[in-house]
Amino acid sequence: EIVMTQSPVTLSVSPGERATLSCRASQSVRRNLAWYQQKPGQAPRLLIYGASTRATGIPARFSGSGSGTEFTLTISSLQSEDFALYYCQQYNNWPPYTFGQGTKLEIK
Amino acid sequence: QVQLQESGPGLVKPSQTLSLTCTVSGGSISTGAYYWSWIRQSPGKGLEWIGHIYYSGNTYYNPSLKSRVLISGDTSKNLFSLKVNSVTAADTAVYYCAGWAETTSFDPWGQGTLVTVSS
Repeated sequence: EIVMTQSPVTLSVSPGERATLSCRASQSVRRNLAWYQQKPGQAPRLLIYGASTRATGIPARFSGSGSGTEFTLTISSLQSEDFALYYCQQYNNWPPYTFGQGTKLEIK
Repeated sequence: QVQLQESGPGLVKPSQTLSLTCTVSGGSISTGAYYWSWIRQSPGKGLEWIGHIYYSGNTYYNPSLKSRVLISGDTSKNLFSLKVNSVTAADTAVYYCAGWAETTSFDPWGQGTLVTVSS
């Protein structure tokens, strides 16, 4: 099973600033990585797939990069609605698909 | 636009069977567009993929749960179902159904349903 490790656990950033979230895989997942955003009481929402492709309707301020074992989600200018939980997930080696433990993005 | 909705009991007794249904609208489970998936989320284990079913009837399960899980589909009602046997408190979680596609991973998702295992 591939273990996904996200850092930091909590990230405090001011609105308008840039946020950078990291995700590491225990072995190469090539570019088969997705990012999700989750707000309280809601299901996760797909943001990025294929490591860098934005899902339908996702604003351009969200971008993903990386391949192999190291990945990054960048939010270029934080809006109030962006403060949430973020998860990475690999779909290169399954079963099982595996998720990171999440990064909480909070207002500084 | 495909939409999913989970339904089922919110409370299950220990050692009994958890049963949930996911009704699909806006698309047919009989096409090959998605693998129809179950995912759960608990405070202790985060997001955990349970398994999924393809339109062919093939099923795939998380090895950690495989001995206790069954996923099935009903094309006449356009829904798929989850059964987890011999539940314990560790199975308490929010259960989501979702569609998985090779290019986009998990999207869409249902809203989720909380299942509590308690006597």
